[in-house]
Amino acid sequence: DAGITQSPRYKITETGRQVTLMCHQTWSHSYMFWYRQDLGHGLRLIYYSAAADITDKGEVPDGYVVSRSKTENFPLTLESATRSQTSVYFCASSNLDRIYGYTFGSGTRLTVV
Amino acid sequence: GENVEQHPSTLSVQEGDSAVIKCTYSDSASNYFPWYKQELGKRPQLIIDIRSNVGEKKDQRIAVTLNKTAKHFSLHITETQPEDSAVYFCAASSATRFGAGTRLTVKP
Repeated sequence: DAGITQSPRYKITETGRQVTLMCHQTWSHSYMFWYRQDLGHGLRLIYYSAAADITDKGEVPDGYVVSRSKTENFPLTLESATRSQTSVYFCASSNLDRIYGYTFGSGTRLTVV
Repeated sequence: GENVEQHPSTLSVQEGDSAVIKCTYSDSASNYFPWYKQELGKRPQLIIDIRSNVGEKKDQRIAVTLNKTAKHFSLHITETQPEDSAVYFCAASSATRFGAGTRLTVKP
């Protein structure tokens, strides 16, 4: 869906570097989420946000930082990338009632070398 | 926190047969249970969902059933077709946790 976009689609970075993944939605959804998807582990929640300036840890938050100064943006930062953070990262959003469920972005494939 | 278990991890059926995927959850406060289909290299997409005040929901060849007492819900796909081949994920709402996924293969 064009309403939620992630950038970049692909990223290669070196161990120890900081990298930021961007997520932007145009629906004014209150909830936004970051998941990582690794083979054999399904979708694991990293962080989520219920509204601007409100964020909470998910299942696997270590090594990640999020912020949400505006409702439409929810960037995910890897402060010092490690090889174990090589993964596909999906951003998702939903309204309060989840009328349309969680809508996912196209994903960012991150490789840490 | 919420824990969602999904079974089986892989499922292979003949075209035209039915497929059933089951999920259990731990948090009785969960009240929303979506199912997602993810094709290779694509994003997960919502195919059907159910809320805790409903026991069953159907949409053409797919249906979801919910047993709140037992804390489990299931996805049923009838008259399977090769294009149903994908990974299917369930989720429970209280912590937006997803199951580990089921790889469904429909053999023509």
